[in-house]
Amino acid sequence: EPEVTQTPSHQVTQMGQEVILRCVPISNHLYFYWYRQILGQKVEFLVSFYNNEISEKSEIFDDQFSVERPDGSNFTLKIRSTKLEDSAMYFCASSWDRGGELFFGEGSRLTVL
Amino acid sequence: GESVGLHLPTLSVQEGDNSIINCAYSNSASDYFIWYKQESGKGPQFIIDIRSNMDKRQGQRVTVLLNKTVKHLSLQIAATQPGDSAVYFCAENRDNAGNMLTFGGGTRLMVKP
Repeated sequence: EPEVTQTPSHQVTQMGQEVILRCVPISNHLYFYWYRQILGQKVEFLVSFYNNEISEKSEIFDDQFSVERPDGSNFTLKIRSTKLEDSAMYFCASSWDRGGELFFGEGSRLTVL
Repeated sequence: GESVGLHLPTLSVQEGDNSIINCAYSNSASDYFIWYKQESGKGPQFIIDIRSNMDKRQGQRVTVLLNKTVKHLSLQIAATQPGDSAVYFCAENRDNAGNMLTFGGGTRLMVKP
């Protein structure tokens, strides 16, 4: 069964460092997403991406965050200068169409010290 | 995909019994609702969805009920099995908002053998 894969599964970084989280969406999907979940809190939408550009983003997705799909397979989330409050589980997801069923990866846990 | 919070509501049921998990949503403009299951170490997994023009939808062993008057959603699991033990999230979406989902806080279902 096709699945969304994410790397790394866990990353520990120092505050102020740049972090890149990587995702390989399901191969024939066209829409890509990042969500995050701070421990003990709800899953929150960050950004959606289609046709090589951001289609929607939340207030959380500020200038410190960026996404790209550099090679047609990987979909990355970059945090330029991490803060303590960026510590969370980051989930990548993909879908075939806009509003279609979302398939989530297993998440990348980011710990900022 | 750790999504456990210290204060996550918990429903404990006996194997073979039916389970009902409830969710209140906030946005009266939401017209698409989804239930997700999250097992330990995994990302959210789609279970069943319902659009606002329906009040009930059935899947395999699962039924979703939607009451738009009181903005309430429920997930019924028939003949609950140990493999159903997980955290369950409801999510809401406005149909023209792509997959910019708003997730609920989650309920932990524990199935006793």
